[in-house]
Amino acid sequence: AQSVAQPEDQVKVAEGNPLTVKCTYSVSGNPYLFWYVQYPNRGLQFLLKYITGDNLVKGSYGFEAEFNKSQTSFHLKKPSALVSDSALYFCAVRDGRNTPLVFGKGTRLSVIA
Amino acid sequence: NAGVTQTPKFRILKIGQSMTLQCAQDMNHNYMYWYRQDPGMGLKLIYYSVGAGITDKGEVPNGYNVSRSTTEDFPLRLELAAPSQTSVYFCASTLPSGNTIYFGEGSWLTVV
Repeated sequence: AQSVAQPEDQVKVAEGNPLTVKCTYSVSGNPYLFWYVQYPNRGLQFLLKYITGDNLVKGSYGFEAEFNKSQTSFHLKKPSALVSDSALYFCAVRDGRNTPLVFGKGTRLSVIA
Repeated sequence: NAGVTQTPKFRILKIGQSMTLQCAQDMNHNYMYWYRQDPGMGLKLIYYSVGAGITDKGEVPNGYNVSRSTTEDFPLRLELAAPSQTSVYFCASTLPSGNTIYFGEGSWLTVV
């Protein structure tokens, strides 16, 4: 069975500082990994995904994520945080057999001016 | 280009009432999903469908039913609403093989 862990319920960073939101996963086959962002009272917006290829994936709004197979991790990063990045972030995984996405519990990112 | 459209946006139900949450997508996606989001719990899969006429249970299907008569529509039926079904419901769709999953804006349901 697939699973995702987001070990931090909340992450706080100062504006302009780098940010990292952690995610580890477990799947039986090859992982398809996703990050989504949710703003208050809105749906989930796609940020980036890893399917295959380069371990460093670049996505929307300056975010990137690094796939680490040995550590089964897919941490979300941004070099310089903005106040507008404050939101709820979800990591999700599916294996290569078109199974539904399994989500982590989410990490609330607060960027402080 | 509407994407995934959910209705209604907000609804208050009394215990024991029934209702249908509507979901439609205009991207010709085969796969469609219903998730519910509870605070601090992430998203839990209720039901999903890989094509018209095919549906499967997810992690939390009890108290819900679905149908998929067309590629575009995937309604979620709540029978005999209970307070435990108070949640935010998200419909989503995708093409197969690792493609991006697109979400609707959500339906906020309160059962009192």
